[in-house]
Amino acid sequence: AQSVTQPDIHITVSEGASLELRCNYSYGATPYLFWYVQSPGQGLQLLLKYFSGDTLVQGIKGFEAEFKRSQSSFNLRKPSVHWSDAAEYFCAVGFGNQFYFGTGTSLTVIP
Amino acid sequence: EAQVTQNPRYLITVTGKKLTVTCSQNMNHEYMSWYRQDPGLGLRQIYYSMNVEVTDKGDVPEGYKVSRKEKRNFPLILESPSPNQTSLYFCASSPSAGAPGSPLHFGNGTRLTVT
Repeated sequence: AQSVTQPDIHITVSEGASLELRCNYSYGATPYLFWYVQSPGQGLQLLLKYFSGDTLVQGIKGFEAEFKRSQSSFNLRKPSVHWSDAAEYFCAVGFGNQFYFGTGTSLTVIP
Repeated sequence: EAQVTQNPRYLITVTGKKLTVTCSQNMNHEYMSWYRQDPGLGLRQIYYSMNVEVTDKGDVPEGYKVSRKEKRNFPLILESPSPNQTSLYFCASSPSAGAPGSPLHFGNGTRLTVT
């Protein structure tokens, strides 16, 4: 069965520190990969996407993600976190006619 | 402005009272879907639609119905709501599911409480 795993339920980082959020998926082929961010009371906003080509993709708000086929991973990174990055982050895959989401990682940013 | 609009934002109802959550998109997207978000479970797909009159079950369809009579609208119907359907619901659309670079565009959510 298809699955998307975000092993970190909650992460706390200091403002200005680097960030890496992990995502692993299990599919037979390379799916379409996405990262979304959800601020409190809001819907999900697309940060970035990958479907082919360069395995390092740039997104909005200074985020980037790297696709590693050998590890079935698509980790999200940011070099320097801002207080406004506090939110919930979801990794998702598009496969066939459906989209599958991880359980999310909640990010807290401390001053 | 391109958007997915859900109504209502908040809804409190009682067990067994039929309700409909509306969803409309103005982007001429073919693909629409409904998700529920529960703590610790992430988003789970309820139903999706590839186009008008074409709908299919997602991972958690029990207790829900949908219809797609027009391209822009995709209402979610709970014929007899139960407390285990208390959740945060999201409608989303995409130009075409499965096509490269076709991410989902989300509405702002509907928080449903069934007592």
